Amino acid sequence: RKEVEQDPGPFNVPEGATVAFNCTYSNSASQSFFWYRQDCRKEPKLLMSVYSSGNEDGRFTAQLNRASQYISLLIRDSKLSDSATYLCVVIPLSGSARQLTFGSGTQLTVLP
Amino acid sequence: GAVVSQHPSRVICKSGTSVKIECRSLDFQATTMFWYRQFPKQSLMLMATSNEGSKATYEQGVEKDKFLINHASLTLSTLTVTSAHPEDSSFYICSARRNRAGTEAFFGQGTRLTVV
Repeated sequence: RKEVEQDPGPFNVPEGATVAFNCTYSNSASQSFFWYRQDCRKEPKLLMSVYSSGNEDGRFTAQLNRASQYISLLIRDSKLSDSATYLCVVIPLSGSARQLTFGSGTQLTVLP
Repeated sequence: GAVVSQHPSRVICKSGTSVKIECRSLDFQATTMFWYRQFPKQSLMLMATSNEGSKATYEQGVEKDKFLINHASLTLSTLTVTSAHPEDSSFYICSARRNRAGTEAFFGQGTRLTVV
């Protein structure tokens, strides 16, 4: 089983739609969680951190469920500019360098 | 936010030659940097962890003699792909984090390597 698993999609949604992505992780000792966005042929960029209590940033809402070991990202009122690949990232509590573990990414295309 | 600069952004080289990629943290010190490789439509795969002043730690399946990593200062790590082959063609990305728990990682712009 992969450490971090995501539905690769692609998700094709119309402008204005609400779309949700889930990401499951296998290491229960994981400590920190993030959602990154990666545009085609570009480096990943932080979209938002994921906190235990859930957090919202404009149209984006991130949630963490430690009991079920998954994180989610909800995008409301999708814009064309939201088209990208969304990567969930998990950092373990322990490890020599606490490197990030990436999910394979979920591709989103918002259609006009 | 913090900035990580990676150079070059794109390189085309002949089989058998070596290519050096630089990764610099511009406004913070990074005792640890990470090197990733990403093939088309796949996720970032950690290749190695670069440690300032000591040997890099390589992930399983990554040849340390082929992918030479040097982390000579707190702001610079280099990855050298030696004797490059076409199958080494990929997108290489470096990353660095501030030395605090839970903080985000900052990525270089990536280097697209094409070996012909």
